Amino acid sequence: QVQLVQSGAELKKPGSSVKVSCKASGDSFSSFAFSWVRQAPGRGLEWMGGIIPIVRAPNYAQTFQGRVTITADVSSGTAYMELSGLRSEDTAVYYCARSITLLRAFDFWGQGTLVTVSS
Amino acid sequence: EFVLTQSPGTLSLSAGERATLSCRASESIGSIYIAWYQQKPGQAPRLLMSGASTRATGIPDRFSGSGSGTHFTLTISSLEPEDSAVYYCQQYANSPLFGQGTRVEI
Repeated sequence: QVQLVQSGAELKKPGSSVKVSCKASGDSFSSFAFSWVRQAPGRGLEWMGGIIPIVRAPNYAQTFQGRVTITADVSSGTAYMELSGLRSEDTAVYYCARSITLLRAFDFWGQGTLVTVSS
Repeated sequence: EFVLTQSPGTLSLSAGERATLSCRASESIGSIYIAWYQQKPGQAPRLLMSGASTRATGIPDRFSGSGSGTHFTLTISSLEPEDSAVYYCQQYANSPLFGQGTRVEI
């Protein structure tokens, strides 16, 4: 049974950074792709970027280029998303999601991590 | 700029009725690159359909998908109370993009 377990909720100040983790279990971590999708309160879904752990080269949405860093640690089966220069508009639930490769549907999702940006 | 537009915004129907959700793309896209997700309040999205018409594991056969080119449809043949949710279409031909969602109220 595939499970993606994310780190807990975060409260951050404007201008700071946040790093969210996503630990995968139940399947071969490095063979899949892991993306990050965020959802602002009451809003839709927005893809931020993704990575294939064995390739290591991340792919970012243009909107987040320069502010987001996605990495993966094959030894621990964990993917990470770091977002810098936080502003109030970054308040959202951040999900990790798995796919067969980067350009495929997301078949498993983490439970979501609420990041609140407030002074 | 590539856009996915879902309609209607909200669909209010009764249990047992048929629901038809539309997803229109601003440019033609191969059907293999279209997915549909269901999201209930406080939960992560769940994959319903990939390749426009292939049901994901465990998805009941009352859900079906169709379409090609710029118009794709998710149909729920006979609504159950647990189908109340927001439904999103997604394209993954290039940088993944979601539609704005259709809320289904039963």
